[in-house]
Amino acid sequence: KNEVEQSPQNLTAQEGEFITINCSYSVGISALHWLQQHPGGGIVSLFMLSSGKKKHGRLIATINIQEKHSSLHITASHPRDSAVYICAADYGGSQGNLIFGKGTKLSVKP
Amino acid sequence: EPEVTQTPSHQVTQMGQEVILRCVPISNHLYFYWYRQILGQKVEFLVSFYNNEISEKSEIFDDQFSVERPDGSNFTLKIRSTKLEDSAMYFCASSKGLVETQYFGPGTRLLVL
Repeated sequence: KNEVEQSPQNLTAQEGEFITINCSYSVGISALHWLQQHPGGGIVSLFMLSSGKKKHGRLIATINIQEKHSSLHITASHPRDSAVYICAADYGGSQGNLIFGKGTKLSVKP
Repeated sequence: EPEVTQTPSHQVTQMGQEVILRCVPISNHLYFYWYRQILGQKVEFLVSFYNNEISEKSEIFDDQFSVERPDGSNFTLKIRSTKLEDSAMYFCASSKGLVETQYFGPGTRLLVL
């Protein structure tokens, strides 16, 4: 069964800290998505990547296909980054449905 | 910026009643999805839809569920006879193509009593 595992489950950081959230998955993915879920429940897509690295502002996502591992980094974290960060895998040949991790709840303290 | 919209934002219903959750995907998108998230749990795939038919469905998506694109804009999820365990947040998403960024709606919070 295709699974997506995230760590840590919860993360508390001080404002300004560098944050890393990890995601591991089974073989054969077409793409790996990083999503942000706000306290109100809304989901925003941050990145979709199938190789290498992507950067958007203070957010960086990397993926290592050989190790079946992806990381989401937040530089100079801010309290407004507090949210649940979810990775989701597209295993391909499945018409685009995503398999979600359980999420990492990030709290950034001022 | 175009966005996916969903109505209603909240719905309370009695067990056994039918509910229809509505979504308006982004206009030039071709792939549509429904996901659900039971409180405190991870998001789960329900169904994907392309070219006016179901592309794939999960084991959750049993005979009580159906989807429809009744016109050029709306995408609906119908739950025929709701059960208590159907209480969840339901998210609609759309994407331009396969293996592309999916854009999520704000969700409909369904409570079955």
